[in-house]
Amino acid sequence: GDSVTQMEGPVTLSEEAFLTINCTYTATGYPSLFWYVQYPGEGLQLLLKATKADDKGSNKGFEATYRKETTSFHLEKGSVQVSDSAVYFCALTTDSWGKLQFGAGTQVVVTP
Amino acid sequence: NAGVTQTPKFRVLKTGQSMTLLCAQDMNHEYMYWYRQDPGMGLRLIHYSVGEGTTAKGEVPDGYNVSRLKKQNFLLGLESAAPSQTSVYFCASSYIAPDTQYFGPGTRLTVL
Repeated sequence: GDSVTQMEGPVTLSEEAFLTINCTYTATGYPSLFWYVQYPGEGLQLLLKATKADDKGSNKGFEATYRKETTSFHLEKGSVQVSDSAVYFCALTTDSWGKLQFGAGTQVVVTP
Repeated sequence: NAGVTQTPKFRVLKTGQSMTLLCAQDMNHEYMYWYRQDPGMGLRLIHYSVGEGTTAKGEVPDGYNVSRLKKQNFLLGLESAAPSQTSVYFCASSYIAPDTQYFGPGTRLTVL
């Protein structure tokens, strides 16, 4: 079946550091890929998405590129802020019902 | 525009008790989903609905039932709660699929 693997956390960074969270996937067909973010005490919200190979999703300074050849969708941000402290989930869907398969989540802690 | 709301926010049950979680959305979305979030496992799909009056099983449906009598509401029921159902439950909705899902704030359920 489909699956998503993302790097374990917590990832602890200083403010203005570069952030990378690795995400790889296994899927039949051609998935749509998503990054969701969960701030403390809140539900998930979409950070960015990509629906086909070589697409780049971007939002709030975060970027991720859909790499079909390496089955990856790594999340990057050039300069993190304390407000980026959250749990980040990589997810995919391969069907027309939109059922999401999530990775385990990566907690990111940014210190001043 | 409240988006996706969930009731209640917290609940403690004893083993064998029953309860219903309510999800409501005011965005006229066709698709609605129930997920559970457990530490280290990301979110897993319990049941979903592709329109009023329709429901289907997700990845972990055992012990849960759902109903979608009105387009804006999606109810999740636990007939006889078990400690293994201790979790945080999230509802989500989307206008089309596959597409961005909008999440509620979650319900934290503890079964003693």
